[in-house]
Amino acid sequence: SQQGEEDPQALSIQEGENATMNCSYKTSINNLQWYRQNSGRGLVHLILIRSNEREKHSGRLRVTLDTSKKSSSLLITASRAADTASYFCASYRAGSYQLTFGKGTKLSVIP
Amino acid sequence: DAGVIQSPRHEVTEMGQEVTLRCKPISGHDYLFWYRQTMMRGLELLIYFNNNVPIDDSGMPEDRFSAKMPNASFSTLKIQPSEPRDSAVYFCASSITTGFGNTIYFGEGSWLTVV
Repeated sequence: SQQGEEDPQALSIQEGENATMNCSYKTSINNLQWYRQNSGRGLVHLILIRSNEREKHSGRLRVTLDTSKKSSSLLITASRAADTASYFCASYRAGSYQLTFGKGTKLSVIP
Repeated sequence: DAGVIQSPRHEVTEMGQEVTLRCKPISGHDYLFWYRQTMMRGLELLIYFNNNVPIDDSGMPEDRFSAKMPNASFSTLKIQPSEPRDSAVYFCASSITTGFGNTIYFGEGSWLTVV
């Protein structure tokens, strides 16, 4: 079963706007990660947030984690056409080395 | 540094043929993962190894699939015989154990089409 579920499934915005993607998960986690996949390519790690953290920043990325709601969000500020990709959240069940991915949000940034 | 290297990048084969996908993980990484990605099912973990030993193969769909890791720098995923429903992108990934959970590094994938 999917540990993470992203919302929305697809998002289309204008260049310069902010993009927000959400992720819900089902079980206790050690950390939550976000990955990006450009069309036809492998996944690339973006950012990791630990279960005892609430917010983390990396460049134009901001990730939040709410363990009480079992949810996370990824915000991309001032989006660019090059941000067009699919974004996945992934998490380890506590005590597990198995990283499970959601089905992703497909982001399209229109120039 | 070289990332995870997969071959072939693309393969088209006929139903019933044997398919072998190859992977070279990042040097020094102690975990290796095989994932399959389809539109319908998303990313599925097939099997993973720790220090060349298979740890969990519960995601392998059926006996037609097998994976080996004879040494720390090489792994194969074999499908025999292949079927059209095996058409997917197969990703190999590797990671190194840290105290805060592993970040996984993916290869570019092997795009398999079975006709």
